[in-house]
Amino acid sequence: QQPVQSPQAVILREGEDAVINCSSSKALYSVHWYRQKHGEAPVFLMILLKGGEQKGHEKISASFNEKKQQSSLYLTASQLSYSGTYFCGTVFSSNTGKLIFGQGTTLQVKP
Amino acid sequence: EAQVTQNPRYLITVTGKKLTVTCSQNMNHEYMSWYRQDPGLGLRQIYYSMNVEVTDKGDVPEGYKVSRKEKRNFPLILESPSPNQTSLYFCASSLWDRGVSVTGELFFGEGSRLTVL
Repeated sequence: QQPVQSPQAVILREGEDAVINCSSSKALYSVHWYRQKHGEAPVFLMILLKGGEQKGHEKISASFNEKKQQSSLYLTASQLSYSGTYFCGTVFSSNTGKLIFGQGTTLQVKP
Repeated sequence: EAQVTQNPRYLITVTGKKLTVTCSQNMNHEYMSWYRQDPGLGLRQIYYSMNVEVTDKGDVPEGYKVSRKEKRNFPLILESPSPNQTSLYFCASSLWDRGVSVTGELFFGEGSRLTVL
C-alpha cells in the first residue's frame, strides 16, 4: 500500500524545473507533500483532497489525478533551498488516521 | 512556542532492555502518530491515535506499544527491543476533524535516534 515515488533522485541546476510523481495502487482520499532537509524533521508543504483543486504557493505546486491515483509535485525555477528529500503521504479515506508515506525522492539543487 | 517534544533524542541500548520514548505536544492536537525512518524505506507509520484512549496500528506495529492517557502525551514503548528496531523515530501531531487529511499539516518532533545492540 506504500505509494511509489519517482524518480528516486534528481540533480538540478538552480533555475531548472523538476517534477516528482507519487502513485498509489489504491484509491486515494488525499495526498500530502512534505520536504525533509538533512538532519531535520519533515516539514509540511501542501495537501490535496479528492475533488479539490491544484494547490501551490510561490514556485511549488501540486496536482492530484484521482482517476489515475497519482499526484505530482512541481518545482519551478528551483533554488538551492529546495534541496532535500520529498515525501508524498497518502490517506485512503476520510475517517482513518492512517497516513502512509512513499520512500522519498532526493532532490539536489546545484549552483 | 508550538512544538512536539521527543525524549531522548539519542539512545543506545541493548537487546531486551525495555525503553520508552516520550512525546509531548503543546498545541492541543487530537491526532498523534509515531513513524520510523530507515534509509530507502521512507517514513513508516507505527501507531496513531485520534484522541485520548483511542489508538490504532499503522503499517509496522510489531514490537511496539503505545498509550494515550492524556491528550498531550503519546509515549512509544519498546518492551523488548531488538537490533532491527534500530532506527530514527519521529512523533507527529495534527488537528483532527473527520480525518487527518482535512487539516493536513503534521507537526513533527525533532526525532529520536535509537540504536539497539
